[in-house]
Amino acid sequence: SQQGEEDPQALSIQEGENATMNCSYKTSINNLQWYRQNSGRGLVHLILIRSNEREKHSGRLRVTLDTSKKSSSLLITASRAADTASYFCATDEVQGGSEKLVFGKGTKLTVNP
Amino acid sequence: EPEVTQTPSHQVTQMGQEVILRCVPISNHLYFYWYRQILGQKVEFLVSFYNNEISEKSEIFDDQFSVERPDGSNFTLKIRSTKLEDSAMYFCASSVTGPNTGELFFGEGSRLTVL
Repeated sequence: SQQGEEDPQALSIQEGENATMNCSYKTSINNLQWYRQNSGRGLVHLILIRSNEREKHSGRLRVTLDTSKKSSSLLITASRAADTASYFCATDEVQGGSEKLVFGKGTKLTVNP
Repeated sequence: EPEVTQTPSHQVTQMGQEVILRCVPISNHLYFYWYRQILGQKVEFLVSFYNNEISEKSEIFDDQFSVERPDGSNFTLKIRSTKLEDSAMYFCASSVTGPNTGELFFGEGSRLTVL
């Protein structure tokens, strides 16, 4: 099954605006993580939210998790041009003792100065 | 700050040739991974490695692929006979704990081009 599907696929906003990206997944999870990838670079961990948490903050980032809907959102407030990147959600899979993180297709965020 | 390092940054090879991609994970990490990303597409799991053995692998990781931790610091991905469709960015990652409890630290990737 496909874990971690983000939407929108692409998002273009002006500097100073907020950016919201969503992620849906299919199986039960222990945690959900968000990563950022600048073009042509490696992935950088942003935030991890556990299945028993509903909301988490880190600086300008706010992540919510709704396990009943199997969805998460990443909010970046007061966006900056430097936030331009692709953002991926990633989930582990509880069933079968899985030892992997599965990434979604990502949301490509462009913040225009 | 400790980081995962990968070499080479870019490799061009002919179809059918063997390729070895190298990674040096963060020194106190216990879990190691390879992922790949075809240009503009999703990041795909290949394999996870713990306690000197493969703990999980995907359908992509067929008999042409192998991993090794030869000397306690390097973690290598070997593709025995490359195909055109193996062209991708390959990312190594490591973590202190398994993916169900902690974050993964990624290297900058090795771009593989198969001609």
